[in-house]
Amino acid sequence: DQQVKQNSPSLSVQEGRISILNCDYTNSMFDYFLWYKKYPAEGPTFLISISSIKDKNEDGRFTVFLNKSAKHLSLHIVPSQPGDSAVYFCAAKSLVGKLIFGQGTTLQVKP
Amino acid sequence: KAGVTQTPRYLIKTRGQQVTLSCSPISGHRSVSWYQQTPGQGLQFLFEYFSETQRNKGNFPGRFSGRQFSNSRSEMNVSTLELGDSALYLCASSSSMNTEAFFGQGTRLTVV
Repeated sequence: DQQVKQNSPSLSVQEGRISILNCDYTNSMFDYFLWYKKYPAEGPTFLISISSIKDKNEDGRFTVFLNKSAKHLSLHIVPSQPGDSAVYFCAAKSLVGKLIFGQGTTLQVKP
Repeated sequence: KAGVTQTPRYLIKTRGQQVTLSCSPISGHRSVSWYQQTPGQGLQFLFEYFSETQRNKGNFPGRFSGRQFSNSRSEMNVSTLELGDSALYLCASSSSMNTEAFFGQGTRLTVV
């Protein structure tokens, strides 16, 4: 039972363009959503989060959008840089619930 | 502020052995969660501890267990190791219920 799904295993974009990573969830009790970035053999690094009471949160080049009716969130990276190349995980949780991760999307930003 | 510290970083064990991994959370964080990452899989939730009590548990066999001490440090134990237990084991800490979790570097366990 995959409650958090990232349907695109990989994404390739040109440097300077926008990267859009998508995530779908099934549990309507989720009320907090996060994005993490991960390099090989390292722990995930927190990027940005959003509460269910909001539909957008922005931090520098990173913006997360939440569409609760569609149970969908996305991460936009503008402009994309080669250093952004990594695996991106979305995660979701409910109050006192466990943090559940998607399978990850590998982003490659080409110079 | 020191980050989440996991020890050891790398470990090689033989099938049938048991192993204990350690995690020191960020100072002041009372919640510690453990995850397993294997190739092709996302981060699979193992368990979460909050103030020395297991608050959530994932779908792993009873060979996987954990505990949390009064100083919030946590350990996880895997008994009767199997080849399929080879993975990166990650620990994350957070300060309260709906805040971001911060991860350690992980322990790479190889079972041979």
